[in-house]
Amino acid sequence: DVKVTQSSRYLVKRTGEKVFLECVQDMDHENMFWYRQDPGLGLRLIYFSYDVKMKEKGDIPEGYSVSREKKERFSLILESASTNQTSMYLCASSLWYTNTGELFFGEGSRLTVL
Amino acid sequence: SQQGEEDPQALSIQEGENATMNCSYKTSINNLQWYRQNSGRGLVHLILIRSNEREKHSGRLRVTLDTSKKSSSLLITASRAADTASYFCATDGSYGKLTFGQGTILTVHP
Repeated sequence: DVKVTQSSRYLVKRTGEKVFLECVQDMDHENMFWYRQDPGLGLRLIYFSYDVKMKEKGDIPEGYSVSREKKERFSLILESASTNQTSMYLCASSLWYTNTGELFFGEGSRLTVL
Repeated sequence: SQQGEEDPQALSIQEGENATMNCSYKTSINNLQWYRQNSGRGLVHLILIRSNEREKHSGRLRVTLDTSKKSSSLLITASRAADTASYFCATDGSYGKLTFGQGTILTVHP
């Protein structure tokens, strides 16, 4: 079965801390995505990657960076967490960038920044 | 940028009734997808309809697409309490990106 695994379901961090959210997929997918989900705002794309070491900004990249050193792993980094980054973070993957198909999502990481 | 907009924002029905959710979008698409999200969980893909298709069925799900009106609808027939979830439409973009609407919260009462 297809699987996207996010390392932490719940995290509590303090303002100014560096936060790493890890995501691993076992489907050999080319594309990987990070979204954040907030009430009333739906899902918003932060960053995506269509190949190893490749990354592209989404709609709301400010305050975030990403790393994709291996095909199966896509990390979201908050260099200095702020309270407005309290949110549900969803990682997803899809087969390839030339054909927009189904996205496979992880279970989400709920981050609280105090 | 928000591409898909769902309507209604919330829908409450009894078990056995049908549930209809609508999605409108702004720019041309190659395909439109519907996803479901149980509370506090990730999204699960339900169905994909291509721009040259008008209707698609999957089990109790029926999706329609009207590209002239830039709208889609998701019908869940004979709903069950287990269908209680949020439902999102998503439209495609470059590099396999999807843009999601804000979702419809469906509550099915036993």
